[in-house]
Amino acid sequence: DAGVTQSPTHLIKTRGQQVTLRCSPKSGHDTVSWYQQALGQGPQFIFQYYEEEERQRGNFPDRFSGHQFPNYSSELNVNALLLGDSALYLCASSLIAAGKAGELFFGEGSRLTVL
Amino acid sequence: AQSVTQLGSHVSVSEGALVLLRCNYSSSVPPYLFWYVQYPNQGLQLLLKYTSAATLVKGINGFEAEFKKSETSFHLTKPSAHMSDAAEYFCAVSSYSSASKIIFGSGTRLSIRP
Repeated sequence: DAGVTQSPTHLIKTRGQQVTLRCSPKSGHDTVSWYQQALGQGPQFIFQYYEEEERQRGNFPDRFSGHQFPNYSSELNVNALLLGDSALYLCASSLIAAGKAGELFFGEGSRLTVL
Repeated sequence: AQSVTQLGSHVSVSEGALVLLRCNYSSSVPPYLFWYVQYPNQGLQLLLKYTSAATLVKGINGFEAEFKKSETSFHLTKPSAHMSDAAEYFCAVSSYSSASKIIFGSGTRLSIRP
């Protein structure tokens, strides 16, 4: 049973560029959440997708957008990259079902460096 | 707004000693509370979670945590540390109405001395 997979694992961009990160959830999961983890910090909630819609959003600007596909996989897009966007981006999948709240399964992340 | 504060960014204990990682939460509604662990170069893994069923919660790898409403605390403990416990530990909170929006603390790095 494959867990959460993310791609790419590492990438380097320059300021002003755009980036797309991809995530495949754990088999059977229907919800995908994205987190940003700066060096030495805890993960910060970006947004969550369920049934192909953004359900919840953290305190991130509109430059951060996402999408969920019918097969539950997801993309995170960041436009007009800033130096401060350099971080590890984590995808987590879960089940929306009652009793499973907060039981997130994380991928190993995509390390983004903005120069 | 919900938040968690982890006291101590780095904790070092000897192998076999008690592990105590501290977490205090702030929530205007009954919270769900979690501990996650991040081993080097790996994703986060759920250790345990509290959802009001019992105040003492047992997790994987011998860890447990006790919910104390009066102290707004959810400290993580393990009676005897093992070298393999060395990792980053994150306390996290959400609420019943927004259960999947997990807010993480800044983390505590646990080191184990031989």
